[in-house]
Amino acid sequence: AQSVTQPDIHITVSEGASLELRCNYSYGATPYLFWYVQSPGQGLQLLLKYFSGDTLVQGIKGFEAEFKRSQSSFNLRKPSVHWSDAAEYFCAVALNNAGNMLTFGGGTRLMVKP
Amino acid sequence: SQTIHQWPATLVQPVGSPLSLECTVEGTSNPNLYWYRQAAGRGLQLLFYSVGIGQISSEVPQNLSASRPQDRQFILSSKKLLLSDSGFYLCAWSVLGMAFFGQGTRLTVV
Repeated sequence: AQSVTQPDIHITVSEGASLELRCNYSYGATPYLFWYVQSPGQGLQLLLKYFSGDTLVQGIKGFEAEFKRSQSSFNLRKPSVHWSDAAEYFCAVALNNAGNMLTFGGGTRLMVKP
Repeated sequence: SQTIHQWPATLVQPVGSPLSLECTVEGTSNPNLYWYRQAAGRGLQLLFYSVGIGQISSEVPQNLSASRPQDRQFILSSKKLLLSDSGFYLCAWSVLGMAFFGQGTRLTVV
């Protein structure tokens, strides 16, 4: 069965610092990969997705993620974090783009220090 | 454009009482629909998904059930709530592998 691991439960960075959130997946083939963000008490918002092609994908709010097949990773990055980026971030995989359900990682809670 | 509505936003229910959470999607036809639960400090757990009217797949055995009486309506129910049913419930629909979420329902069972 496919699985998604986000090794960091909590991360704290200073405002303006760079950010990298880790995501590793376990699946026999290359799945479809996603990052979602959840503000407190809210639903999830899609940040970016990878289906195929260029392994560096750009998303909303200045985020990007890089797919590395050799490492089965899809890490999320941002060069300069803003206080409004404080939220919980979820990595997710899907078997294909035909609407199969997503498998989510456990999430990483990001805190931003002023 | 597509929108997803989920209600109520918050709910406090006594143990043993029934539950009905409703989710509707607008602007799309025959969507794949999902119910997730997010317990405090934990990730998302898929509870049910549906690929069509009357078609429900359960991912986790529990005292919850789901129904899809109409193409764009997905209902999460329970006959008797347990304390452990407390959590944040999210409805979602998907297209091309991407999921779009409702605003969630915070359920507290007391």
